[in-house]
Amino acid sequence: DGGITQSPKYLFRKEGQNVTLSCEQNLNHDAMYWYRQDPGQGLRLIYYSQIVNDFQKGDIAEGYSVSREKKESFPLTVTSAQKNPTAFYLCASSMGQITYTEAFFGQGTRLTVV
Amino acid sequence: RKEVEQDPGPFNVPEGATVAFNCTYSNSASQSFFWYRQDCRKEPKLLMSVYSSGNEDGRFTAQLNRASQYISLLIRDSKLSDSATYLCVVPRDTGNQFYFGTGTSLTVIP
Repeated sequence: DGGITQSPKYLFRKEGQNVTLSCEQNLNHDAMYWYRQDPGQGLRLIYYSQIVNDFQKGDIAEGYSVSREKKESFPLTVTSAQKNPTAFYLCASSMGQITYTEAFFGQGTRLTVV
Repeated sequence: RKEVEQDPGPFNVPEGATVAFNCTYSNSASQSFFWYRQDCRKEPKLLMSVYSSGNEDGRFTAQLNRASQYISLLIRDSKLSDSATYLCVVPRDTGNQFYFGTGTSLTVIP
């Protein structure tokens, strides 16, 4: 089945640690995105990538880093510089290019700082 | 004006009722619009895409009013399983990004 897979589903981080969230898609989509969702708030864009080996900062990129070495994969690292990382993280993909098509989401990773 | 605005609700309606949500957007050049459904602690899932004046899929109808810059989602014969948060999504002008509304909460009551 085609889709987007995020792992892990739940992640606990100690203060000062870096953690990496995985996102893999087999939809052959060019564009991939990372969003953060906090309770009662909308989705906020962290980073996005329209093509392999290229990515851009979104609205709240500070304290996060990404890579796009393969079309299928777009991992997100939450660094120790992110002061309030506890949130629900969603990865998405879309066909990209110039066509404004819909985005499809992975099941999300719930990150908690302990 | 925010890029995308939704009434957060909550909307509490009895089973079988008809309910409508509105979403306003600021960019008059927007060409496509999406409604997503998000269940509690789950990912958003595409419900409907709107590329012209509207779209209909069973009990769900989305309508676009370009003059007033809003899209609506109408749910007829509400089911308990329709209880969720409904997100309005509008593509940004560049970079294949999206603006997400904060969502409208719907609870269908037996």
